[in-house]
Amino acid sequence: DQQVKQNSPSLSVQEGRISILNCDYTNSMFDYFLWYKKYPAEGPTFLISISSIKDKNEDGRFTVFLNKSAKHLSLHIVPSQPGDSAVYFCAASALQGAQKLVFGQGTRLTINP
Amino acid sequence: DAGITQSPRHKVTETGTPVTLRCHQTENHRYMYWYRQDPGHGLRLIHYSYGVKDTDKGEVSDGYSVSRSKTEDFLLTLESATSSQTSVYFCAIREVRQETQYFGPGTRLLVL
Repeated sequence: DQQVKQNSPSLSVQEGRISILNCDYTNSMFDYFLWYKKYPAEGPTFLISISSIKDKNEDGRFTVFLNKSAKHLSLHIVPSQPGDSAVYFCAASALQGAQKLVFGQGTRLTINP
Repeated sequence: DAGITQSPRHKVTETGTPVTLRCHQTENHRYMYWYRQDPGHGLRLIHYSYGVKDTDKGEVSDGYSVSRSKTEDFLLTLESATSSQTSVYFCAIREVRQETQYFGPGTRLLVL
């Protein structure tokens, strides 16, 4: 049973436009959410996070939105740049305790010039 | 970048042989984690450690064991490797009261 789902395996966006990556979760105990970016042959790199007490967190070109009632989060990248082409993973956990992350399957984002 | 190294970076082994992967950190973080990444599954937690000699199971722990005799090293052992353990293995670290896990570069393992 997949507790965190990224239903779009791939997304293609024009350079300069907005990229929107989506993630859904089923476990109500999750109260902390993260986005990681991964290039081939490298480890995941932390991008941005949000706790359940907020509905939005912004860091430069990256904004994460959390809709707790819908159990849905999204990552907005604006404007999109060629270097943003990578696989993006969302992850969720409970803040208390060992923080065992549960990951989605990933979305491959391609930014076209 | 977090000071995390993994060794070896690539390994090819045969079914039935034991394999040990090493994760080494220079950050003195308390928590260390082992994940595997497979197509269609994202990353899945194998085992984690919350201190020297303190470890616990994750989601996909069958066929794996871990040890942590020093703060800086977390070892993952495949007791008898199987083809289903062909994967990319990532180590991560986290400090207490910090909310973010930082990942190493990964080990690509092929079991023939």
